[in-house]
Amino acid sequence: SQTIHQWPATLVQPVGSPLSLECTVEGTSNPNLYWYRQAAGRGLQLLFYSVGIGQISSEVPQNLSASRPQDRQFILSSKKLLLSDSGFYLCAWGEQGFFGYTFGSGTRLTVV
Amino acid sequence: QQQVKQSPQSLIVQKGGISIINCAYENTAFDYFPWYQQFPGKGPALLIAIRPDVSEKKEGRFTISFNKSAKQFSLHIMDSQPGDSATYFCAAIGTGSARQLTFGSGTQLTVLP
Repeated sequence: SQTIHQWPATLVQPVGSPLSLECTVEGTSNPNLYWYRQAAGRGLQLLFYSVGIGQISSEVPQNLSASRPQDRQFILSSKKLLLSDSGFYLCAWGEQGFFGYTFGSGTRLTVV
Repeated sequence: QQQVKQSPQSLIVQKGGISIINCAYENTAFDYFPWYQQFPGKGPALLIAIRPDVSEKKEGRFTISFNKSAKQFSLHIMDSQPGDSATYFCAAIGTGSARQLTFGSGTQLTVLP
């Protein structure tokens, strides 16, 4: 069965520090991968998606970047965090041509 | 630009009552409409989903009604229970290989015991 792992679960980082959040998927190959952010309140905003290794599409200009170094690994990064980067970050995967998304358990990032 | 509009923002229902959440979409390039349930501190979990060529889908106490001509769809939770208290998101998946998922703004449901 397929599983998605996302870590860390919580993170407190000072302003100006770097960020690296990792997401891996098991039990499938060539998945679509997504990073979402959920700010205070409830809305989910698509940040990046990838349909293959090295292929990254950005939905919103950010202080963030994403990379997909391996087929089932998706990384969200920042060189210098801003206070506004605080939020709940969610990784998700979907099989190409399939209609379902599975989300990871999320990372609660607090920038102080 | 919000392409999926969801209402109400919050909903309080008595145990055993019916919870109804409505969504409307603007972009016709969607071909799948899932609903997600999210508990605090957790990632959203797929609850139920429907294709636009189907007018209704029922799974247990959860029913999606879909009106393609009006570009509207809704979630009905029958016999609502306190354990249903969560945030519910409607969503739409776009056509194309990226299969991007656009969320509504969410509805915080509280079911009173």
